[in-house]
Amino acid sequence: GEDVEQSLFLSVREGDSSVINCTYTDSSSTYLYWYKQEPGAGLQLLTYIFSNMDMKQDQRLTVLLNKKDKHLSLRIADTQTGDSAIYFCAERDTGTASKLTFGTGTRLQVTL
Amino acid sequence: EAQVTQNPRYLITVTGKKLTVTCSQNMNHEYMSWYRQDPGLGLRQIYYSMNVEVTDKGDVPEGYKVSRKEKRNFPLILESPSPNQTSLYFCASSLPGGRLTGELFFGEGSRLTVL
Repeated sequence: GEDVEQSLFLSVREGDSSVINCTYTDSSSTYLYWYKQEPGAGLQLLTYIFSNMDMKQDQRLTVLLNKKDKHLSLRIADTQTGDSAIYFCAERDTGTASKLTFGTGTRLQVTL
Repeated sequence: EAQVTQNPRYLITVTGKKLTVTCSQNMNHEYMSWYRQDPGLGLRQIYYSMNVEVTDKGDVPEGYKVSRKEKRNFPLILESPSPNQTSLYFCASSLPGGRLTGELFFGEGSRLTVL
């Protein structure tokens, strides 16, 4: 089955850039997503990238996709304390319509 | 406001006492799903439903039941809860795969403790 992996924890200083990495195994993934989970809340879609794209930029967020290596990354520029959260990578394949497979989540801690 | 609503948000129960976690969405989504979130394991899918009266097992369905009698509701039933079902549960909904981006909309979560 599909497998999505992330490191569990990342700590950065306020104002620095954060890079959260994700690897996946399903080569037929169509969309790849980044979700953000703030404490005590559900997951909210942060951004997504279609599998035929290499990069997507949205304000402070940059998503890079390396299909050959099955590697996805999320870069947050000028990280703020409000960015402290758990970030989940997820992929949707063509085989099981609508199902998203999630990674373990990366807890981002932003320090002053 | 478009939303997915789960109840209860918090529940402490005892082993063997049947319980139901309700989920309702107001976006007319065909697809609904239940996930559980456990530390170090991320989100794992329990059951999903492609439409009314159509449900299927996810990756970790043991000990759970679901029903989809109406489009908006997708309750999760624990017939005989056990301590290993202590977890944070999320309901989610979306348009079917292939429609737009397939974004999942999540409820706020239900934290269940089984003693």
